[in-house]
Amino acid sequence: DIQLTQSPSFLSASVGDRVTITCRASQGISSFLAWYQQKPGKAPKLLIYEASTLQSGVPSRFSGRGSGTDFTLTISSLQPEDFATYYCQQLNTYPLTFGGGTKVEIK
Amino acid sequence: QVQLQESGPGLVKPSETLSLTCAVSGYSISSAYYWGWIRQPPGKGLEWIASIYGSGSTYYNPSLKSRVTISVDTSKNQFSLKLSSVTAADMAVYYCVRHPPAITVVTYWGQGTLVTVSS
Repeated sequence: DIQLTQSPSFLSASVGDRVTITCRASQGISSFLAWYQQKPGKAPKLLIYEASTLQSGVPSRFSGRGSGTDFTLTISSLQPEDFATYYCQQLNTYPLTFGGGTKVEIK
Repeated sequence: QVQLQESGPGLVKPSETLSLTCAVSGYSISSAYYWGWIRQPPGKGLEWIASIYGSGSTYYNPSLKSRVTISVDTSKNQFSLKLSSVTAADMAVYYCVRHPPAITVVTYWGQGTLVTVSS
């Protein structure tokens, strides 16, 4: 199985901050990575797929980069509605696997 | 608009079988996508369980494979999950999902259903 390690697991930030979350894969997965946002009591929402492609309707302050084993999700200017938990998922092989999550909270 | 809706008992006894169904609307389940299940224990991360193509081709998480059956009913446009011999570790919110066959990004999620395991 491909293991995904997210860091940090918890992040405290202020509105307007630039925030970066990292996801590291246990083996190379090319650009086959997605990012999701999850708010309490809700299903995850797709933000980015294939490492850097923004899903339709997702604000442009979200961006993704990386290939191989190292990936990042950046929020250029944190907004109140962005406080949530973020997960990465590898799209390369079965079994599908997710990172452990990064919770972004208000400082 | 594709919509997925989970249904099934919210309480299952230890050692029994958990059975959930996902009703799909707005898209034919026999066309072009995989349909699957992902779970999330309270306060924890996401775990993929299994996926099935409309034609019946399946993938299972090896960690659960011995206890899981996923099936599709094209006549009702729905698919189902059975998880046998449940324990407290199987307590989770269960989501039904849709993803493409080639790039397994999950574009559609059900709202999720909480299954509690308790006697």
